[in-house]
Amino acid sequence: ETGVTQSPTHLIKTRGQQVTLRCSSQSGHNTVSWYQQALGQGPQFIFQYYREEENGRGNFPPRFSGLQFPNYSSELNVNALELDDSALYLCASSSDRGGEKLFFGSGTQLSVL
Amino acid sequence: EDQVTQSPEALRLQEGESSSLNCSYTVSGLRGLFWYRQDPGKGPEFLFTLYSAGEEKEKERLKATLTKKESFLHITAPKPEDSATYLCAANQAGTALIFGKGTTLSVSS
Repeated sequence: ETGVTQSPTHLIKTRGQQVTLRCSSQSGHNTVSWYQQALGQGPQFIFQYYREEENGRGNFPPRFSGLQFPNYSSELNVNALELDDSALYLCASSSDRGGEKLFFGSGTQLSVL
Repeated sequence: EDQVTQSPEALRLQEGESSSLNCSYTVSGLRGLFWYRQDPGKGPEFLFTLYSAGEEKEKERLKATLTKKESFLHITAPKPEDSATYLCAANQAGTALIFGKGTTLSVSS
């Protein structure tokens, strides 16, 4: 059984650029959620996808968008990067959309300069 | 406003010195209270889910309990390998988890 994998592990961008982060869900999981974790903070919910459709969204602006593919892998896209977007971005998969036991990847550390 | 508050922010223990971490929550329609462990540079690792007041769950040196307003993570005779950040999270609307800021535990030998 493979776990949740994220790529890349680290990324450096400049303000105003666009970035795409990728996530491969755990085998058998049809739900993926994305969280942003700033240094010294707990993870904050960005959005969730269930069977390729957005199933809930946190308090993040529209420049944060996502996709889920038929194989349940997922992408997080962030446009017009701002300095405050610097954080660890975590992907989590689960076997249902009810927010039950989430399995997290190791995250992508994004630095915006 | 729904929120989860953890205390203390940081805790230093000697090996074998038992203690408790606190998680207080104000979440309407709680559907589950979760505990995760997070090591530096890693994603959170699931520990426990608690659903109703009075429920308790144990795993090795860890025991989680739940009341109507807070949850405790008790650590009995900790070892240095228990050093990590422990995150508490509440499931409210069935989609998102609301996380606290975490308690960073350091156990020295």
